[in-house]
Amino acid sequence: QQQVKQSPQSLIVQKGGISIINCAYENTAFDYFPWYQQFPGKGPALLIAIRPDVSEKKEGRFTISFNKSAKQFSLHIMDSQPGDSATYFCAASIETSGSRLTFGEGTQLTVNP
Amino acid sequence: DVKVTQSSRYLVKRTGEKVFLECVQDMDHENMFWYRQDPGLGLRLIYFSYDVKMKEKGDIPEGYSVSREKKERFSLILESASTNQTSMYLCASSLAGAVNEKLFFGSGTQLSVL
Repeated sequence: QQQVKQSPQSLIVQKGGISIINCAYENTAFDYFPWYQQFPGKGPALLIAIRPDVSEKKEGRFTISFNKSAKQFSLHIMDSQPGDSATYFCAASIETSGSRLTFGEGTQLTVNP
Repeated sequence: DVKVTQSSRYLVKRTGEKVFLECVQDMDHENMFWYRQDPGLGLRLIYFSYDVKMKEKGDIPEGYSVSREKKERFSLILESASTNQTSMYLCASSLAGAVNEKLFFGSGTQLSVL
């Protein structure tokens, strides 16, 4: 049973466009929602994370939007660049679980020049 | 710079072989994890450990075991490899005690079981 559902599976965006990746979760006990970025041949690396006490978090061109009532959160990449081409994973965990993350299925983002 | 090192980038084994995947971290982290990554399924947790000699089952432990004899080393063992264990295996570590610890991943081992 996939507790975190991610869409789309793949996404192609033109340079300068906005990339949007969506995730939905089932477990209302989740209270930490990170996004990881993975380049080919590398392991995932933490990109940005949010806790449910805020509805939005922005770091540079990357923004997480969080909707607690809908149990959904999304990653927005503004002014997308070819260097953003990677696989993105959303994840969720419970604060007391000690880093035990449940990941979504992943989205392969391609930004065309 | 923090580092999680996985012993092999690519590994090819035969069905029924016993397989060892090794992971070493140099950050003095207490927590270590093994995930497998499959297209369309994301990362799924196999086993994790919060301390030496300690292990906990993740979401898909069947067919796997682990060993943690030293703090910096966490091994994943496939007792009798099967073709459905062909996958990318990722090791990760994190620091205990902090809230929502950041995971540091190795570069992965692509295992093919023939």
